[in-house]
Amino acid sequence: EAGVAQSPRYKIIEKRQSVAFWCNPISGHATLYWYQQILGQGPKLLIQFQNNGVVDDSQLPKDRFSAERLKGVDSTLKIQPAKLEDSAVYLCASSLLERNTEAFFGQGTRLTVV
Amino acid sequence: GQQVMQIPQYQHVQEGEDFTTYCNSSTTLSNIQWYKQRPGGHPVFLIQLVKSGEVKKQKRLTFQFGEAKKNSSLHITATQTTDVGTYFCAGRRGGKLIFGQGTELSVKP
Repeated sequence: EAGVAQSPRYKIIEKRQSVAFWCNPISGHATLYWYQQILGQGPKLLIQFQNNGVVDDSQLPKDRFSAERLKGVDSTLKIQPAKLEDSAVYLCASSLLERNTEAFFGQGTRLTVV
Repeated sequence: GQQVMQIPQYQHVQEGEDFTTYCNSSTTLSNIQWYKQRPGGHPVFLIQLVKSGEVKKQKRLTFQFGEAKKNSSLHITATQTTDVGTYFCAGRRGGKLIFGQGTELSVKP
């Protein structure tokens, strides 16, 4: 079974530039999560999708971050414009169902904003 | 908002010693999951606890879910160098999966 695919693995941008991350979840997984993990901290949930609908985006900084999951499969997360404090690893995860199932994580995208 | 607190933040042990990390939620959870993240890696699922007071074991690892479904613990007996990494609890409420800050375990051989 193929895992969660994310790209790119690494990205370095200057502040005020824009960046986009892509995630392809495990086939058949209805729930998709985007987490931000700052070095030394736990993953912080940015947005959670159930198929192509948003379950929760309460911690997504909507003035600069956006995410979509068209057709309920793969997803993109965009930051525009980036700030220095956005430097982190962005993890995508998916699970079969919304409840009572484990989340499978991708390798993550390490973003450095300079 | 919902918070999941985890202590300690760091734990350094000698190989063969035991290790415990504790997780507390401000609200009742539907279930709690535990993940392990190796340095440079991504979180990998270990186990899920659903029932009040549930205890599960995986070899040297023992997981507990509190009676009120607000707290949990992970205990490792006789740590090995392969246990090195950060252990996260993740509480699920209302469908959301919220992670604690993690406990970083280092093991001295």
